[in-house]
Amino acid sequence: SQQGEEDPQALSIQEGENATMNCSYKTSINNLQWYRQNSGRGLVHLILIRSNEREKHSGRLRVTLDTSKKSSSLLITASRAADTASYFCATGAGGTSYGKLTFGQGTILTVHP
Amino acid sequence: EAGVVQSPRYKIIEKKQPVAFWCNPISGHNTLYWYRQNLGQGPELLIRYENEEAVDDSQLPKDRFSAERLKGVDSTLKIQPAELGDSAVYLCASSPGTWNGYTFGSGTRLTVV
Repeated sequence: SQQGEEDPQALSIQEGENATMNCSYKTSINNLQWYRQNSGRGLVHLILIRSNEREKHSGRLRVTLDTSKKSSSLLITASRAADTASYFCATGAGGTSYGKLTFGQGTILTVHP
Repeated sequence: EAGVVQSPRYKIIEKKQPVAFWCNPISGHNTLYWYRQNLGQGPELLIRYENEEAVDDSQLPKDRFSAERLKGVDSTLKIQPAELGDSAVYLCASSPGTWNGYTFGSGTRLTVV
């Protein structure tokens, strides 16, 4: 079963533009993580935000978390062609499922040079 | 650092045949995961190990899938017998702790014909 739902499913932008991807989830979480996957490759961890944090930055990445709305967003600023990939949010469970990381369906980002 | 190493990279087998995948995690990473990723989907957890103990195998189809992690290092995932629906990418990941970002291997792409 998949907890997170990403929106949009696909996003196409020009180089230099910003890309925003959203993730919604259903149950309470310990943390939320974002991963990138290039075609035919494994996933690469981008950023982790804990449930008591609201915003986190890493280079050109900005992640927000709104636990009251059970949603997160990933913003990539000044996008590059090399950012073309699938992006997945993953929710880290607390409570009785502590330690379980559940991935969403992903957003396919295409950045045109 | 070598990263998470998986082999083989690709495997094509006939249905009803057995198949095994091997994973060598990053040295010192106590937590190891096997995920299955179908085309266009996010990864789904099959099993999670803390050292040599399987702490979450609730989504492992135990009638045909088995896994082991001897001495808390390398791990193997086996399917016997394989079915057409098992065609997917099998990803191994490791992390130094429960809520650190995962490092994924490149995966094994299994095709069952």
